[in-house]
Parts: sequence; C-alpha cells; structure tokens
Amino acid sequence: EAQVTQNPRYLITVTGKKLTVTCSQNMNHEYMSWYRQDPGLGLRQIYYSMNVEVTDKGDVPEGYKVSRKEKRNFPLILESPSPNQTSLYFCASSSPGQGANEQFFGPGTRLTVL
Amino acid sequence: AQSVTQPDIHITVSEGASLELRCNYSYGATPYLFWYVQSPGQGLQLLLKYFSGDTLVQGIKGFEAEFKRSQSSFNLRKPSVHWSDAAEYFCAVGAWTGANNLFFGTGTRLTVIP
Repeated sequence: EAQVTQNPRYLITVTGKKLTVTCSQNMNHEYMSWYRQDPGLGLRQIYYSMNVEVTDKGDVPEGYKVSRKEKRNFPLILESPSPNQTSLYFCASSSPGQGANEQFFGPGTRLTVL
Repeated sequence: AQSVTQPDIHITVSEGASLELRCNYSYGATPYLFWYVQSPGQGLQLLLKYFSGDTLVQGIKGFEAEFKRSQSSFNLRKPSVHWSDAAEYFCAVGAWTGANNLFFGTGTRLTVIP
C-alpha cells in the first residue's frame, strides 16, 4: 500500500529536550515536505526537499532542522523544542511537477512541548 | 505572493442539504488548485484538483468544485451532505517555485446535523 508514515503519532516532551519525528514514504517520490497545522492558521510549510541532499526552508523554518540522506526518509529535528512548537505536524511527499502533482500526507504527529 | 482565503471558519448544515465552501486565491499565474479534507484525527485526503481545461471538476465522495478565474475562486460544492462529511476542509494553491509547494487556506470546519 502506497503511504507516508510518521512516528511517533503522539509525543509529549519538555522544553529543550531534542527530538526527532521520522517520516518515510514508499512511493519513490523525489519531493517531501513538512507542515505544521495550528488552529486558525491552516497548514504552513516548515521545510521541503526536492531530492536526496537537497533541502530548503519553507515559510516557518525557525527552530527546526531536516535532513534527506535517503530518498524515502525525511526526518524533522527539533534541537531545542519550545512550547510554541506545540502543534500538529504533517509530512507529505509527491513526484516532481510544476506545483501540479498531488501531495500525499502522513497521518500526523501531535507534539506537545511543556 | 500566493495566498488562499477561506472566509468561513465554521459551517453547519443539515444532512441532505446542499453545501458550498468558499475559497479565494491570490496568485500571479495560472494556479493549480486543490481541495483536501481532514477527518477528525486523520491526515489530509485529496478531494479534487484543478490544473487546466474544464473549469468544473469532479472529485471523490460526490464533491465538485468550479474554478472561476474572474473571481479568483474555487468553491467546493456537494448537492446532498452526508453525516460522514463532517470534517475540516482545506483549499490550497500549488505554486511553481522550484518545488511542489502548497499554500493552504485556514480551513473550514463542517458540522452536519442529523
């Protein structure tokens, strides 16, 4: 089954404790991205990657890091989480195209930073 | 810059009634437009998309949307709502910025009354 998986699905942590949210896709997609969803703000892009070792900032990259060492994986790293990073996070992937291709979303990771 | 406006934060309809969710976009070129649905606790699922051609597009679950360039709108419609349609709906515009970036509206939450 074609899918995007994220782990963990739920995470409660404390300020300053480094964490990683994993994202993996089995569709051989070149493009992957991370979004955060906050009430009243919709989804905002954090980082995206057009291929292995090619990443770039989205609209709200502060406080986040990413890496793309393998095509299928695109982890999101919070080096020193803060309470304002409490949010619902989505990973997405798609094949390349001029903005026209459907993005497939993972199930989401709900992060709470105390 | 790209932007998407969904003017209705919350809509309540009776089961069997018709539905229209509004979406207005701002984009300097031909837009790629999408509607996604998010059921409670779930990820995002693509309902339909518009790239070019016929301005009335059909999607899954009986939804359709009409692209109106003169009004910069891409409203989502369904003739008869089912209780299972209760969810949050997001309109998005895809932009060619060197990547498959999506810009989302803030969402419209749909409540269906039996």
